[in-house]
Amino acid sequence: DTGVSQNPRHKITKRGQNVTFRCDPISEHNRLYWYRQTLGQGPEFLTYFQNEAQLEKSRLLSDRFSAERPKGSFSTLEIQRTEQGDSAMYLCASSGGTSENSPLHFGNGTRLTVT
Amino acid sequence: GDSVTQMEGPVTLSEEAFLTINCTYTATGYPSLFWYVQYPGEGLQLLLKATKADDKGSNKGFEATYRKETTSFHLEKGSVQVSDSAVYFCALKNAGNNRKLIWGLGTSLAVNP
Repeated sequence: DTGVSQNPRHKITKRGQNVTFRCDPISEHNRLYWYRQTLGQGPEFLTYFQNEAQLEKSRLLSDRFSAERPKGSFSTLEIQRTEQGDSAMYLCASSGGTSENSPLHFGNGTRLTVT
Repeated sequence: GDSVTQMEGPVTLSEEAFLTINCTYTATGYPSLFWYVQYPGEGLQLLLKATKADDKGSNKGFEATYRKETTSFHLEKGSVQVSDSAVYFCALKNAGNNRKLIWGLGTSLAVNP
């Protein structure tokens, strides 16, 4: 399977703990995105990488959130001192090609529950 | 700023009924338009796309035409199946302003046998 892979699929954590999610994009894709989705809503943009460079970061991403893509391949999203409001589905997507309007290919997401 | 508005759900249809899910947008420049589908328990999948005015995207019996004059990209299918039950999202991507997708809120479709 050469699609976007996200791990873990589910994460339950207690408030105040740190969590880290991983995304492995489609191998030839140079653009990688993180989104957050809550029930009944469309995805909210969090951040965007082109290769290893983080080019855009949403105002939604507080200082407790950090994302990296150190070698321009896989990416990690860390949430420090989790809060109940962080409970959501975290989606990773990648795209490739020369057009910035190339479609995004999504992983199945990591569902975070903060108790 | 750029935005997408799609009809509220849930939409409930009988099998073989005709489906229309309305989507309109506001954007500067010339965005590309997309429909994504999210089946229960799964991630978002690209259903179809159109990159310029009058383009028609199609896939799995679904169609949508990019209408610049009405700023619309309505999703249609002539005969829905139970397996089409999912949430459908309309989205736009405007390289002129940003690199991220702007999403509608999603429309839930339930098809009954």
